[in-house]
Amino acid sequence: DAGVIQSPRHEVTEMGQEVTLRCKPISGHDYLFWYRQTMMRGLELLIYFNNNVPIDDSGMPEDRFSAKMPNASFSTLKIQPSEPRDSAVYFCASSFYGGKTPLHFGNGTRLTVT
Amino acid sequence: DQQVKQNSPSLSVQEGRISILNCDYTNSMFDYFLWYKKYPAEGPTFLISISSIKDKNEDGRFTVFLNKSAKHLSLHIVPSQPGDSAVYFCAAGTANAGKSTFGDGTTLTVKP
Repeated sequence: DAGVIQSPRHEVTEMGQEVTLRCKPISGHDYLFWYRQTMMRGLELLIYFNNNVPIDDSGMPEDRFSAKMPNASFSTLKIQPSEPRDSAVYFCASSFYGGKTPLHFGNGTRLTVT
Repeated sequence: DQQVKQNSPSLSVQEGRISILNCDYTNSMFDYFLWYKKYPAEGPTFLISISSIKDKNEDGRFTVFLNKSAKHLSLHIVPSQPGDSAVYFCAAGTANAGKSTFGDGTTLTVKP
């Protein structure tokens, strides 16, 4: 398996623009997670899905953020409108059973909002 | 409230010596603990885990120790190698819940 695939690897956009991050999880994994890494807040969970259903979105910072998982092999994280404070590395991860099983992370998308 | 804490942002050790990375947690419901390693420009990768029914788990040069009464776990790397230089994240979760909570990470530098 190719692992968790994220695109794009880098995204530079201007404040106010819409940003869409994409993720393809490992086939057969039932859980999908979106994390954000910043210097100030470390690695924080934004939202996770189980069998394509959002389970916990309490980490989503505000209504500008939304995530979808239309099928088992694809998820998106959208920010609209983007702001400079959204600049961070966004990771997608997948796993078989959630909390007790290891997460497999993608290589992340580095987002810069100017 | 940060439920998983790694109080040392960085650690530097000499090649061949032992590296000890520490992690504290506050939620007594956590029953599964994992360590991840992260190189620059890559995502974290799983290293080793331990469940709350054990107090030690070993995998090659890596050993994780769990002290439930102190709500503390540590990762020992023996012997340390320059290739071990990375950021190490501690994570905790419950077996019946989906998510893991991560610490802020400790940057390990192993000097040749």
